[in-house]
Amino acid sequence: GAGVSQSPSNKVTEKGKDVELRCDPISGHTALYWYRQSLGQGLEFLIYFQGNSAPDKSGLPSDRFSAERTGGSVSTLTIQRTQQEDSAVYLCASSISGENTGELFFGEGSRLTVL
Amino acid sequence: GEDVEQSLFLSVREGDSSVINCTYTDSSSTYLYWYKQEPGAGLQLLTYIFSNMDMKQDQRLTVLLNKKDKHLSLRIADTQTGDSAIYFCAESMGGRRALTFGSGTRLQVQP
Repeated sequence: GAGVSQSPSNKVTEKGKDVELRCDPISGHTALYWYRQSLGQGLEFLIYFQGNSAPDKSGLPSDRFSAERTGGSVSTLTIQRTQQEDSAVYLCASSISGENTGELFFGEGSRLTVL
Repeated sequence: GEDVEQSLFLSVREGDSSVINCTYTDSSSTYLYWYKQEPGAGLQLLTYIFSNMDMKQDQRLTVLLNKKDKHLSLRIADTQTGDSAIYFCAESMGGRRALTFGSGTRLQVQP
């Protein structure tokens, strides 16, 4: 597609369940980012993938959070044993090279609600 | 640690100028960015400035950078109702490629 695609757009789950959020970046973009946007908060960096390099996981809030990027393209963010404080909009972005001059292209986000 | 701060809310009348301010702490920032988020949409890059510049102008947008005070501002001239959105300041930090974003400033333009 023309832009960054995320699914599902909305997810409601019960506390303790696992969820998977998917991101399909723009074709040819080597860098992929996950951010979290909570109500009234800014964007919280979660994880960054750049090509075949080891991902920067320094923003993951706990070991319940993990992410993979298969074949340098699609990425999945997994949250295990969800908690109510995990409720947020999870935003994925991609850029051509990951260099700081590069523009990040954001998807519309996946809104997660944990009951 | 890294921190980017913005005021949360700004209200202006249509046709006035808007000035959105941002402060950052990382002196090694090389680029600073302004992103716009319209309701229900992802963020879009508005403009960016390299740290060795003081000012950048792009049509109705003017970015001012005071590197000494680590202060960045975005001025929108002749603000329109379509400018109503959340504006995020972001910096790139030395050693990490992912951007650090502020909490966003919600701009409300009243007709």
